Amino acid sequence: DTAVSQTPKYLVTQMGNDKSIKCEQNLGHDTMYWYKQDSKKFLKIMFSYNNKELIINETVPNRFSPKSPDKAHLNLHINSLELGDSAVYFCASSQASTGGTEAFFGQGTRLTVV
Amino acid sequence: QQQVKQSPQSLIVQKGGIPIINCAYENTAFDYFPWYQQFPGKGPALLIAIRPDVSEKKEGRFTISFNKSAKQFSLHIMDSQPGDSATYFCAASIMANDYKLSFGAGTTVTVRA
Repeated sequence: DTAVSQTPKYLVTQMGNDKSIKCEQNLGHDTMYWYKQDSKKFLKIMFSYNNKELIINETVPNRFSPKSPDKAHLNLHINSLELGDSAVYFCASSQASTGGTEAFFGQGTRLTVV
Repeated sequence: QQQVKQSPQSLIVQKGGIPIINCAYENTAFDYFPWYQQFPGKGPALLIAIRPDVSEKKEGRFTISFNKSAKQFSLHIMDSQPGDSATYFCAASIMANDYKLSFGAGTTVTVRA
Protein backbone atom coordinates (compact mmCIF):
# COMPACT_ATOMS: atom_id res chain seq x y z
CA ASP A 1 0.00 0.00 0.00
CA THR A 2 2.65 2.47 -1.15
CA ALA A 3 1.93 6.14 -0.46
CA VAL A 4 4.20 7.62 -3.13
CA SER A 5 5.21 5.27 -5.90
CA GLN A 6 7.45 6.01 -8.83
CA THR A 7 8.44 3.93 -11.81
CA PRO A 8 10.80 2.70 -12.95
CA LYS A 9 13.11 2.10 -10.00
CA TYR A 10 16.16 1.78 -12.25
CA LEU A 11 16.70 3.33 -15.67
CA VAL A 12 19.83 2.86 -17.77
CA THR A 13 19.90 4.68 -21.08
CA GLN A 14 22.24 6.15 -23.65
CA MET A 15 23.14 9.76 -24.08
CA GLY A 16 20.76 11.63 -26.32
CA ASN A 17 17.75 9.48 -25.52
CA ASP A 18 14.44 10.75 -24.13
CA LYS A 19 12.99 9.09 -21.04
CA SER A 20 10.12 9.52 -18.60
CA ILE A 21 9.67 8.78 -14.90
CA LYS A 22 6.19 8.40 -13.51
CA CYS A 23 4.96 9.23 -10.01
CA GLU A 24 1.67 8.63 -8.26
CA GLN A 25 0.55 9.40 -4.72
CA ASN A 26 -2.49 7.99 -2.94
CA LEU A 27 -2.33 10.30 0.08
CA GLY A 28 -4.76 12.86 -1.25
CA HIS A 29 -2.07 15.55 -1.10
CA ASP A 30 -2.33 18.64 -3.25
CA THR A 31 1.38 19.32 -3.68
CA MET A 32 3.92 17.16 -5.48
CA TYR A 33 7.64 17.57 -6.08
CA TRP A 34 10.61 16.28 -7.97
CA TYR A 35 13.95 16.23 -6.18
CA LYS A 36 17.34 15.25 -7.58
CA GLN A 37 19.91 13.49 -5.40
CA ASP A 38 23.42 13.55 -6.79
CA SER A 39 26.28 11.12 -6.19
CA LYS A 40 27.21 12.97 -2.99
CA LYS A 41 23.65 12.46 -1.72
CA PHE A 42 22.80 16.16 -1.95
CA LEU A 43 19.04 16.65 -2.35
CA LYS A 44 17.89 19.56 -4.47
CA ILE A 45 14.37 20.50 -5.42
CA MET A 46 13.65 20.66 -9.13
CA PHE A 47 9.93 21.30 -9.41
CA SER A 48 6.89 21.72 -7.24
CA TYR A 49 3.26 21.48 -8.36
CA ASN A 50 0.25 22.51 -6.33
CA ASN A 51 -3.15 21.40 -7.60
CA LYS A 52 -1.62 20.71 -11.03
CA GLU A 53 -0.11 24.19 -11.22
CA LEU A 54 3.66 24.69 -11.43
CA ILE A 55 4.79 26.56 -8.31
CA ILE A 56 8.55 26.07 -8.26
CA ASN A 57 10.96 25.63 -11.16
CA GLU A 58 14.47 25.76 -9.78
CA THR A 59 16.62 26.74 -12.76
CA VAL A 60 16.41 23.27 -14.21
CA PRO A 61 17.45 22.87 -17.88
CA ASN A 62 14.43 22.99 -20.14
CA ARG A 63 15.27 19.44 -21.25
CA PHE A 64 13.40 18.52 -18.07
CA SER A 65 9.66 18.89 -18.40
CA PRO A 66 7.28 17.93 -15.61
CA LYS A 67 3.66 17.20 -16.31
CA SER A 68 0.83 16.84 -13.81
CA PRO A 69 -2.29 15.35 -15.41
CA ASP A 70 -4.09 15.43 -12.06
CA LYS A 71 -3.36 16.04 -8.38
CA ALA A 72 -2.27 12.45 -7.79
CA HIS A 73 0.26 12.23 -10.63
CA LEU A 74 3.43 14.10 -11.50
CA ASN A 75 5.58 12.75 -14.30
CA LEU A 76 9.04 13.88 -15.36
CA HIS A 77 10.14 13.77 -18.97
CA ILE A 78 13.78 14.29 -19.86
CA ASN A 79 14.91 15.02 -23.41
CA SER A 80 18.37 14.56 -24.90
CA LEU A 81 19.81 12.90 -21.83
CA GLU A 82 23.34 13.86 -20.80
CA LEU A 83 25.91 12.07 -18.64
CA GLY A 84 25.43 14.70 -15.93
CA ASP A 85 21.78 13.75 -15.60
CA SER A 86 22.81 10.52 -13.88
CA ALA A 87 21.37 10.72 -10.36
CA VAL A 88 18.56 9.44 -8.20
CA TYR A 89 15.30 11.27 -8.80
CA PHE A 90 12.76 11.38 -6.00
CA CYS A 91 9.12 12.20 -6.26
CA ALA A 92 7.46 13.52 -3.10
CA SER A 93 4.12 14.85 -1.99
CA SER A 94 2.79 16.96 0.86
CA GLN A 95 -0.37 18.64 2.02
CA ALA A 96 0.21 22.39 2.05
CA SER A 97 -0.73 23.73 5.44
CA THR A 98 0.52 26.09 8.09
CA GLY A 99 1.91 23.15 10.00
CA GLY A 100 5.09 22.80 8.07
CA THR A 101 6.08 20.78 5.07
CA GLU A 102 6.03 17.08 5.84
CA ALA A 103 7.04 15.64 2.52
CA PHE A 104 6.51 11.96 1.78
CA PHE A 105 9.09 10.60 -0.63
CA GLY A 106 8.95 7.75 -3.10
CA GLN A 107 11.69 5.13 -3.30
CA GLY A 108 13.54 6.96 -6.03
CA THR A 109 14.50 6.26 -9.63
CA ARG A 110 18.18 5.67 -10.22
CA LEU A 111 18.94 7.08 -13.66
CA THR A 112 22.22 6.09 -15.28
CA VAL A 113 23.17 7.71 -18.57
CA VAL A 114 25.93 5.92 -20.47
CA GLN B 1 23.97 28.27 -3.08
CA GLN B 2 23.27 25.99 -0.15
CA GLN B 3 20.89 27.62 2.32
CA VAL B 4 21.41 25.06 5.07
CA LYS B 5 24.92 23.98 6.03
CA GLN B 6 25.27 20.58 7.71
CA SER B 7 28.20 18.91 9.46
CA PRO B 8 29.89 16.52 9.81
CA GLN B 9 29.71 14.70 6.49
CA SER B 10 29.99 11.36 8.25
CA LEU B 11 30.49 9.95 11.68
CA ILE B 12 30.99 6.59 13.33
CA VAL B 13 29.95 5.76 16.88
CA GLN B 14 29.77 2.67 19.02
CA LYS B 15 26.41 1.27 20.03
CA GLY B 16 25.04 3.34 22.90
CA GLY B 17 26.96 6.46 21.83
CA ILE B 18 25.33 9.80 21.01
CA PRO B 19 25.95 10.98 17.46
CA ILE B 20 25.40 14.73 17.10
CA ILE B 21 24.70 16.41 13.76
CA ASN B 22 24.81 20.18 13.41
CA CYS B 23 23.08 22.51 10.97
CA ALA B 24 23.21 26.25 10.40
CA TYR B 25 21.11 28.56 8.28
CA GLU B 26 21.18 32.20 7.17
CA ASN B 27 17.63 32.93 6.05
CA THR B 28 15.78 34.27 9.11
CA ALA B 29 12.47 33.72 7.30
CA PHE B 30 12.84 29.97 7.83
CA ASP B 31 10.39 28.85 10.48
CA TYR B 32 10.17 25.09 10.16
CA PHE B 33 13.13 22.76 10.61
CA PRO B 34 12.62 19.04 9.93
CA TRP B 35 15.09 16.19 9.99
CA TYR B 36 14.87 13.36 7.49
CA GLN B 37 16.35 9.87 7.74
CA GLN B 38 17.34 7.94 4.63
CA PHE B 39 18.31 4.27 4.45
CA PRO B 40 20.20 2.94 1.40
CA GLY B 41 17.92 2.43 -1.57
CA LYS B 42 15.02 4.26 0.08
CA GLY B 43 13.59 7.72 -0.03
CA PRO B 44 14.06 10.15 2.87
CA ALA B 45 11.47 9.90 5.65
CA LEU B 46 10.53 12.56 8.17
CA LEU B 47 12.06 11.82 11.57
CA ILE B 48 11.32 14.83 13.75
CA ALA B 49 10.71 18.55 13.23
CA ILE B 50 10.89 21.74 15.26
CA ARG B 51 9.68 25.32 15.03
CA PRO B 52 11.80 28.22 16.29
CA ASP B 53 9.50 29.01 19.23
CA VAL B 54 10.90 26.02 21.18
CA SER B 55 14.52 25.29 22.05
CA GLU B 56 14.28 21.51 22.28
CA LYS B 57 12.06 18.69 21.10
CA LYS B 58 12.31 14.98 21.88
CA GLU B 59 10.74 12.03 20.13
CA GLY B 60 11.91 8.71 21.50
CA ARG B 61 15.69 8.61 21.28
CA PHE B 62 15.88 11.57 18.88
CA THR B 63 16.28 15.13 20.19
CA ILE B 64 16.47 18.40 18.29
CA SER B 65 18.14 21.37 19.95
CA PHE B 66 17.44 24.78 18.44
CA ASN B 67 19.32 28.05 18.97
CA LYS B 68 17.43 30.82 17.23
CA SER B 69 19.93 33.61 17.97
CA ALA B 70 22.81 31.56 16.56
CA LYS B 71 20.67 30.26 13.68
CA GLN B 72 21.75 26.73 14.45
CA PHE B 73 20.04 23.48 15.24
CA SER B 74 21.24 19.98 15.93
CA LEU B 75 20.09 16.38 16.13
CA HIS B 76 21.16 14.07 18.94
CA ILE B 77 20.54 10.33 18.77
CA MET B 78 20.49 8.94 22.31
CA ASP B 79 21.56 5.35 23.01
CA SER B 80 22.27 4.84 19.31
CA GLN B 81 21.66 1.40 17.81
CA PRO B 82 23.05 -0.28 14.67
CA GLY B 83 19.58 0.12 13.14
CA ASP B 84 20.06 3.90 13.32
CA SER B 85 22.82 3.67 10.72
CA ALA B 86 21.54 5.88 7.91
CA THR B 87 22.02 9.25 6.26
CA TYR B 88 20.41 12.14 8.11
CA PHE B 89 19.38 15.39 6.46
CA CYS B 90 18.42 18.61 8.15
CA ALA B 91 16.14 20.91 6.22
CA ALA B 92 14.41 24.24 6.49
CA SER B 93 11.34 25.84 5.00
CA ILE B 94 9.02 28.80 5.32
CA MET B 95 5.63 27.61 6.52
CA ALA B 96 3.71 30.39 4.80
CA ASN B 97 5.29 29.29 1.53
CA ASP B 98 4.85 25.60 2.08
CA TYR B 99 6.21 24.35 -1.21
CA LYS B 100 9.95 24.01 -0.78
CA LEU B 101 12.38 22.28 1.54
CA SER B 102 16.01 23.37 1.50
CA PHE B 103 18.16 20.42 2.55
CA GLY B 104 21.56 20.22 4.18
CA ALA B 105 24.19 18.07 2.52
CA GLY B 106 23.51 15.04 4.71
CA THR B 107 25.44 13.15 7.40
CA THR B 108 26.09 9.43 7.11
CA VAL B 109 25.93 7.90 10.58
CA THR B 110 27.36 4.45 11.23
CA VAL B 111 26.63 2.80 14.57
CA ARG B 112 28.93 -0.13 15.26
CA ALA B 113 27.66 -3.04 17.35
